[in-house]
Amino acid sequence: GAGVSQSPSNKVTEKGKDVELRCDPISGHTALYWYRQSLGQGLEFLIYFQGNSAPDKSGLPSDRFSAERTGGSVSTLTIQRTQQEDSAVYLCASSTRGLRYEQYFGPGTRLTVT
Amino acid sequence: AQTVTQSQPEMSVQEAETVTLSCTYDTSENNYYLFWYKQPPSRQMILVIRQEAYKQQNATENRFSVNFQKAAKSFSLKISDSQLGDTAMYFCAFMKQGGSEKLVFGKGTKLTVNP
Repeated sequence: GAGVSQSPSNKVTEKGKDVELRCDPISGHTALYWYRQSLGQGLEFLIYFQGNSAPDKSGLPSDRFSAERTGGSVSTLTIQRTQQEDSAVYLCASSTRGLRYEQYFGPGTRLTVT
Repeated sequence: AQTVTQSQPEMSVQEAETVTLSCTYDTSENNYYLFWYKQPPSRQMILVIRQEAYKQQNATENRFSVNFQKAAKSFSLKISDSQLGDTAMYFCAFMKQGGSEKLVFGKGTKLTVNP
């Protein structure tokens, strides 16, 4: 079956602009995660969605970052007023409720803020 | 909070040889999972192997095996008969059972397999 997909693959934006990154999880996966991979910070957790439960936003680095998940499927990560330190690869992963230890990752979106 | 440490930023090995990547972690939790993920230049994170903390037996997946020392909080990955396709970044990761079960990653080890 299809894996986790993310779009765009690469995004270049100017400092101060808003960007939206999209994640399509594996069909039927109820859990969805966003991670950020940057040179300085390595791989870090951003946010977690599980079904209709309130998301765990504890990893979001600032209030410029937000995410939503519509219909329990597609998720969008929005970064407002982008800064150069937001440049990173943003990875999405999904898993089933009973097997949350098996997270399947998408190919990521490389964001470059100029 | 949990931390994961990979002390080897880069390693290299000759094709067909064996290499061991190190990982240590710090946690006060008793129930957790440990993972090794591979990330080739394509950026796709691929699960290599998983270990449940309650299991004493070390996990094995074909040429990949781990040495899990719970008391020492050590979780090393051994790759036998290294292949050129094993060239990648390798990340050690920790997941606490319960809650959001997010992954906590180490900084990674860049492995190069030389022909």
